[in-house]
Amino acid sequence: GEDVEQSLFLSVREGDSSVINCTYTDSSSTYLYWYKQEPGAGLQLLTYIFSNMDMKQDQRLTVLLNKKDKHLSLRIADTQTGDSAIYFCAERDDYKLSFGAGTTVTVRA
Amino acid sequence: DAMVIQNPRYQVTQFGKPVTLSCSQTLNHNVMYWYQQKSSQAPKLLFHYYDKDFNNEADTPDNFQSRRPNTSFCFLDIRSPGLGDAAMYLCATSREAAENQPQHFGDGTRLSIL
Repeated sequence: GEDVEQSLFLSVREGDSSVINCTYTDSSSTYLYWYKQEPGAGLQLLTYIFSNMDMKQDQRLTVLLNKKDKHLSLRIADTQTGDSAIYFCAERDDYKLSFGAGTTVTVRA
Repeated sequence: DAMVIQNPRYQVTQFGKPVTLSCSQTLNHNVMYWYQQKSSQAPKLLFHYYDKDFNNEADTPDNFQSRRPNTSFCFLDIRSPGLGDAAMYLCATSREAAENQPQHFGDGTRLSIL
């Protein structure tokens, strides 16, 4: 999605925290989503945040939203090998999800 | 578990030979979506159904059609597949089309064109 940008790659050591960053352009987006895609599989919904919130935590996942800068991040605490995947952020406008290009996260031992 | 199920997981067809991909859901959601995801790219919405109402995206080629015979099933028909149509096709559902209703995805069908 040309309106949603993410860095393409992230390498992290097992046990460390991962931070995946995303910027979006549509200031009218009220919900922002994070999805995970493992090789050869569909998209798994991880979490989503309403735009009037600045933080949401769900177990090992923390989403931070800076609405002024249109910046969204996903922090994964205690990253495990099973967290290796592509992570997509997406902005929602009515029915439509517009995805970023995805960040490939590689977890090394 | 309630799910979005896509069959088959892998589909091979010949250039120009019509092909149909299927999606079923046990979530009883009103909205069903079809996305195309080419290699190393983001998913791109092709169209969606709200109940029986079909909504095509402006840039979806005419080669792509869809049918939703009932709440549970939705089909993607590619009338004359070209080499550029090789991709992963993802089906998704949501309870409503509103922004606070997450879309839930199936595992996709990977389509190859010979």
